[in-house]
Amino acid sequence: AQTVTQSQPEMSVQEAETVTLSCTYDTSESDYYLFWYKQPPSRQMILVIRQEAYKQQNATENRFSVNFQKAAKSFSLKISDSQLGDAAMYFCAYRKIYNNNDMRFGAGTRLTVKP
Amino acid sequence: NAGVTQTPKFRVLKTGQSMTLLCAQDMNHEYMYWYRQDPGMGLRLIHYSVGEGTTAKGEVPDGYNVSRLKKQNFLLGLESAAPSQTSVYFCASIYRGLQETQYFGPGTRLLVL
Repeated sequence: AQTVTQSQPEMSVQEAETVTLSCTYDTSESDYYLFWYKQPPSRQMILVIRQEAYKQQNATENRFSVNFQKAAKSFSLKISDSQLGDAAMYFCAYRKIYNNNDMRFGAGTRLTVKP
Repeated sequence: NAGVTQTPKFRVLKTGQSMTLLCAQDMNHEYMYWYRQDPGMGLRLIHYSVGEGTTAKGEVPDGYNVSRLKKQNFLLGLESAAPSQTSVYFCASIYRGLQETQYFGPGTRLLVL
């Protein structure tokens, strides 16, 4: 079974600084998707960024970027120029590329942004 | 478009009571999912549906039933609620394609006393 591990239950960052959230996963598949979701206090799950394992280039979305290390099975999220609105729970998730119906989530990292 | 909506937002049940959670989407999505979220854990898949009239079990299906009588609605039922079912429940949907990302509803918080 695939597992997703987020080893940092809580992180904090100063506003305008950079923070990196860690995620590792376990799989025997060669093709898969990885995701970072943000869950603010409203509880809505919001997609932050997605990475296809067959792509060597790291995905970026504005201030959010990932460091995808396939051999190490590591998928970290970097948030640059942190803003107060970035405060939330962040979940890393994994899904097989040919299976929509088996998304696996990590336990989450609570990010606090200090003004 | 309203996207994915969930009813109710919050509910308190007594042990043994039954209830149904409703998920509705107006995006013509084929696939729909029910997850539960517990403290210290990520979302876990309860049941899912790949089309009207079809359902399948996920990772933690025990104690729940589902129905997909209409394409836009996915119902999650608890026949006899237990305190272990206290959780936040999320519904999600995607159109069909393998490259697509799931859209989530706002969640339903359920407390079973």
